[in-house]
Amino acid sequence: EPEVTQTPSHQVTQMGQEVILRCVPISNHLYFYWYRQILGQKVEFLVSFYNNEISEKSEIFDDQFSVERPDGSNFTLKIRSTKLEDSAMYFCASSAQGGRTYEQYFGPGTRLTVT
Amino acid sequence: GDSVTQMEGPVTLSEEAFLTINCTYTATGYPSLFWYVQYPGEGLQLLLKATKADDKGSNKGFEATYRKETTSFHLEKGSVQVSDSAVYFCALSDRASNTGKLIFGQGTTLQVKP
Repeated sequence: EPEVTQTPSHQVTQMGQEVILRCVPISNHLYFYWYRQILGQKVEFLVSFYNNEISEKSEIFDDQFSVERPDGSNFTLKIRSTKLEDSAMYFCASSAQGGRTYEQYFGPGTRLTVT
Repeated sequence: GDSVTQMEGPVTLSEEAFLTINCTYTATGYPSLFWYVQYPGEGLQLLLKATKADDKGSNKGFEATYRKETTSFHLEKGSVQVSDSAVYFCALSDRASNTGKLIFGQGTTLQVKP
């Protein structure tokens, strides 16, 4: 069964460093998402991506964040200058279609620890 | 804005007990409702969904009914197993979002003891 994969599973970085989280969505899916979950808090939407551009983003997704689909298979989330409060589990998801009724398939997550 | 509220966890049950995890929502539009489950070390998996009022979603013995009058989508299972131990997330997707972004509750940890 097709699945979404994410690498690395755990990333430790120092405050102020850049970090790139990688995801490989399901191959025929068109919509891509990033969510995050700070320990003990809700899973929060960060951004959605369709047709090589951001289609929707949350207030969390400020200028420090960017997303890219560099080669037609990978989908990346970059944090330019990490802060302590960026420590969280980051989930990638993909969907065959957009809209409120379509299932999103999630990866296992990358745990980011900023020290 | 839109939000989802789940009952506090953790919930600890004995095998074959009846499960209810409460979920209520607030939405300005007409949302679709979902339950996702996360097993240890894995990603979130869709458990069931309902896209309109009075719809019942069901899967693997779990059920939830979309109640517009009470803005609820409670998850139930008649007889839980140890293998059901996981974190359960209630979520909504509002029609105002053309990309289907999900808004999640805080998650409820279920532990089933033999």
